[in-house]
Formats: sequence, structure tokens, C-alpha cells
Amino acid sequence: SYALTQPPSVSVPPGQTARITCGAKKIGSKTVHWYQQKAGQAPLLVVYDDSARPSGIPERFSGSNSGNTATLTITRAEAGDEADYYCQVWDSNNDHLWVFGGGTRLTVL
Amino acid sequence: EVLLVESGGGFVRPGESLRLSCAASGFTFRSHWMHWVRQAPGKGLTWVSRINYDGTDSNYADPVKGRFTISRDNARDTMYLQMDSLRVDDTAVYYCARGATTVAFLDSWGQGTLVTVSS
Repeated sequence: SYALTQPPSVSVPPGQTARITCGAKKIGSKTVHWYQQKAGQAPLLVVYDDSARPSGIPERFSGSNSGNTATLTITRAEAGDEADYYCQVWDSNNDHLWVFGGGTRLTVL
Repeated sequence: EVLLVESGGGFVRPGESLRLSCAASGFTFRSHWMHWVRQAPGKGLTWVSRINYDGTDSNYADPVKGRFTISRDNARDTMYLQMDSLRVDDTAVYYCARGATTVAFLDSWGQGTLVTVSS
């Protein structure tokens, strides 16, 4: 099955740029989606189709995807951005499975 | 406003059964694939199952194949997950999620219901 690899944790000072990666072989040939999950809450879609933002998500959140790495970028990081972030792809070639990465804990300090 | 409300979680012994429900409102339920995703305590998200618009097609993750059954009742705007032969490692918060119109991602999530399997 298709596996997505994320770093367990990323730290960034307030106001700086956080980059969270999601790695897999030829992930650039798939579309990647990103979810934010704050402590005790349900996941929230923050980026879809590699780089699109749902309504209500700040422009500070952006995504890119090429080669073997997809990246979620959060500019001007705020304390309120602290959360776990998960990448996800639809493996339509393999029994239509929805695959999540292991998640990255973002700390803003 | 899209609203998904899960119910039916609880404490069960290994080998027992449980049925989860997901009540949907605020959108045309029959126009979306629906999913179950779970999260074991302290762990990441794991996709469990999905069902198509009218309930005629579904998929399951390998760990639950043959034990879990997803279904939906479009007249009641409700999705279900019948969980049989439960194991300790099925312990998790189970989230109901709406599939986006492109089906590739999940655009709305419920708050989850906790299932605990323990002897």
C-alpha cells in the first residue's frame, strides 16, 4: 500500500515560516490534501488539491507538491497554529484507499 | 452549515459488537460519499471505510475487512458502521467524514465517538 512519511515534529518561532513535509515515491503525480487537528478537536481541512484553500482558511496556509515531496507552508506562524497536521492522498490505483500520513506536531515557540 | 454527529460509541469486551451512527444535516446527504476514520489514543488518523452515494459500493481498510460493515439510509440522512468481532486494537475515536465532490478528500468531519474494547 502507499505510505506517506511526515516528520514527527516541527518547531518554529512566532512570526516565522513553518514547513511540514509529506514524502512518498512520485507523490507529485497525486493530489495531496492537508488537515489540521488541534488538541481535543476533530480534524479540519486546511489545503486540498495540493494548494487550494477551503473557505475560511487564512492565506498564510499554502501547499505545494512535486517529485517525491509535498509541503504545507504556514507563514507568519501564530500560537493558534499549534496542532497536528496530516497529509492525505487518495490511492485510486489500489482498491480506492484514502491514505493518511503519520502526522506532524507543530509547535510555535 | 454542515453538521455530522456520531453516536453509539462505548465500552465493549473483545469479540462483541457495536453499531455507530452518523447523523448528517446542512447538506444534501445523498450527493456525497461518506467515510469513517479512526484515531487510536495518542496516534494518528487511519481511514476505515467509505460508502458511495446510494450505498451500493463500499471499501474497507485491511484491518477491518470482514468484521466491519458500512451502510447508509438516505431517507434518514444517516450513515452506520456495524462493528463485529471487536478487538482491543479497534479502540479509537471514530470520526464520520463527508467526502468532497471530487471524492479524493474529506471536507467536513464530525466530533467523533469513542469506542473502547477491553477485557
